[in-house]
Amino acid sequence: DAGVTQSPTHLIKTRGQQVTLRCSPKSGHDTVSWYQQALGQGPQFIFQYYEEEERQRGNFPDRFSGHQFPNYSSELNVNALLLGDSALYLCASSLVLGPSDTQYFGPGTRLTVL
Amino acid sequence: AQSVTQLGSHVSVSEGALVLLRCNYSSSVPPYLFWYVQYPNQGLQLLLKYTSAATLVKGINGFEAEFKKSETSFHLTKPSAHMSDAAEYFCAVSVHSGSARQLTFGSGTQLTVLP
Repeated sequence: DAGVTQSPTHLIKTRGQQVTLRCSPKSGHDTVSWYQQALGQGPQFIFQYYEEEERQRGNFPDRFSGHQFPNYSSELNVNALLLGDSALYLCASSLVLGPSDTQYFGPGTRLTVL
Repeated sequence: AQSVTQLGSHVSVSEGALVLLRCNYSSSVPPYLFWYVQYPNQGLQLLLKYTSAATLVKGINGFEAEFKKSETSFHLTKPSAHMSDAAEYFCAVSVHSGSARQLTFGSGTQLTVLP
């Protein structure tokens, strides 16, 4: 059973550029959430997608946007990159069956902005 | 708003000693609580979760946690530490926000296991 996969594993960009990160959820899961983990901190919720729509958004600017495809995979886009966007970006998938829908995480994409 | 606080950003134990990682939560409704582990340069792996079925929750790798409502705590324990337990541990609370359920994480505890 394939778990959550993310690509690429590492990425280096310069300020002002745009980046797209990709995520494939665990088999059978229909919900994808994205988190940003800065160095030495816990993950922070960016947004969640279900049925190809953004269900909820954390405290992140509009430079962060996403998309979910019919096969439930998802993309995270970040425009006008800032140095402070350097972080590990984690994708988590879940199946919405009840209040304790457990989220399973991928290995993450390490983004470095120079 | 729901939140979690992890006491102690760094914990060191000797191999074979008891592991105790502390987590306190704040929630206006019955919480769903999770412990995740993160090894260097990897994503998060679920250790265990509390969903109100039982107050003592057993997880993988010999870890367990006890939900104590009176103390608003969900501390993680393991009777005997192994070198392979060295990692960062995150406590999280599941928050229902609008139509979605998101995880709010603590700041993490780095566990070092000494030989």
